[in-house]
Amino acid sequence: DTEVTQTPKHLVMGMTNKKSLKCEQHMGHRAMYWYKQKAKKPPELMFVYSYEKLSINESVPSRFSPECPNSSLLNLHLHALQPEDSALYLCASRDRGGIQDTQYFGPGTRLTVL
Amino acid sequence: GQQLNQSPQSMFIQEGEDVSMNCTSSSIFNTWLWYKQDPGEGPVLLIALYKAGELTSNGRLTAQFGITRKDSFLNISASIPSDVGIYFCAVLWVSGTYKYIFGTGTRLKVLA
Repeated sequence: DTEVTQTPKHLVMGMTNKKSLKCEQHMGHRAMYWYKQKAKKPPELMFVYSYEKLSINESVPSRFSPECPNSSLLNLHLHALQPEDSALYLCASRDRGGIQDTQYFGPGTRLTVL
Repeated sequence: GQQLNQSPQSMFIQEGEDVSMNCTSSSIFNTWLWYKQDPGEGPVLLIALYKAGELTSNGRLTAQFGITRKDSFLNISASIPSDVGIYFCAVLWVSGTYKYIFGTGTRLKVLA
């Protein structure tokens, strides 16, 4: 099983709202990623968690706040977003089986900020 | 920063035709991944390559890891309408931490 799940599938929020995106994997992967993707563009890395610790923050604005409560769960807390933050938000996890590194994506959350 | 260039940027093909696309880098990488993404969905892993010169197949898809470790290509044989989508290559970049760099994508459209 190589499944990464994300909820919700779609989210519409106002600029003053607070919401959270959730990502889960039960494959025992110890690295999890958040990406932002605009239409027709490649995924853009936001955060990386390794063994539940934040290892990469790609200079993401503080209105995005990641959290990794345990090795299976990754959250992205959203507050005071701007309309330009509307995008597809993707979660991924990394499988490192020996020398074979592979990354699996979830289905994404389509976020619209009004 | 690191960049991966994919070509062609987009292509229209007839159903049943074979397709070829490639991905190039100015740096050496030891892990190359190919993904397909449908609109509004997450990328789905198609093929992973770990050894220079390696040729790997997955059904009608075949990918090769270039001998210089700076490129890879993906072939799709006998295309069908459901092959429509964006194909991304990605490499694993290791420098203290591990992150993936994505190519610019190849958009494939299949004419029935």
